[in-house]
Amino acid sequence: QGQLVQSGPEVKNPGASVKVSCKAAGYTLSRYGITWVRQAPGQGLEWMGWVSGYNGDTQLAEKLQGRLTMTTDTSTDTAYMELMSLRSDDTALYYCARGYGVEAPDIWGQGTKVTVSS
Amino acid sequence: DIQMTQSPSSLSASVGDRVTLTCRASQSVSRSVHWYQHKPGKAPKLLIYSATRLQSGVPSRFSGSGSWTEFTLTISSLQPEDFATYFCLQTHTTPLTFGQGARLDIK
Repeated sequence: QGQLVQSGPEVKNPGASVKVSCKAAGYTLSRYGITWVRQAPGQGLEWMGWVSGYNGDTQLAEKLQGRLTMTTDTSTDTAYMELMSLRSDDTALYYCARGYGVEAPDIWGQGTKVTVSS
Repeated sequence: DIQMTQSPSSLSASVGDRVTLTCRASQSVSRSVHWYQHKPGKAPKLLIYSATRLQSGVPSRFSGSGSWTEFTLTISSLQPEDFATYFCLQTHTTPLTFGQGARLDIK
């Protein structure tokens, strides 16, 4: 079935960058895409974008374009999400999930807490 | 963006009850709606995909229906482990959008 294992919590200053990893276990990353979603405290879920595990193509949420990069490393079956120029409203729980396009994201990581605070 | 309006936002029910949750889309999303269960500190769990299809390993007391703009998730007989938050997700059009979630508590 597989699972996704995310990197640990991060605390960053405003203006810094954060890079969250998401390692696929039990399946080959290159056969699927990875979707990234975040949930700020007390808020709903927000789609950030997705990356193809096959060729690295991405589609990113418009409001995050310019600050957000999504990549994959198929040699280690790991996907990465990097968010730059962090602001306090980027404080959230960040999830990766297996899925791309109209597919239902079927396997989710455990979430990575990112706190942006001076 | 497509808005997914979920109702109710919270619900109290008892073990054995039948519960129905609804998601309404602000425009047609065909059948590209999926339902998840989410418990605190855990990864969301896919229950129903493509509006009506039961994900492998999910108990048959969960079912989904609907198409175009109105979708429902039904739990036929609540079990203690079902008390959680449920949310819908549309993958028909980017940006993908979620319902705001429905918290299901024990009465």
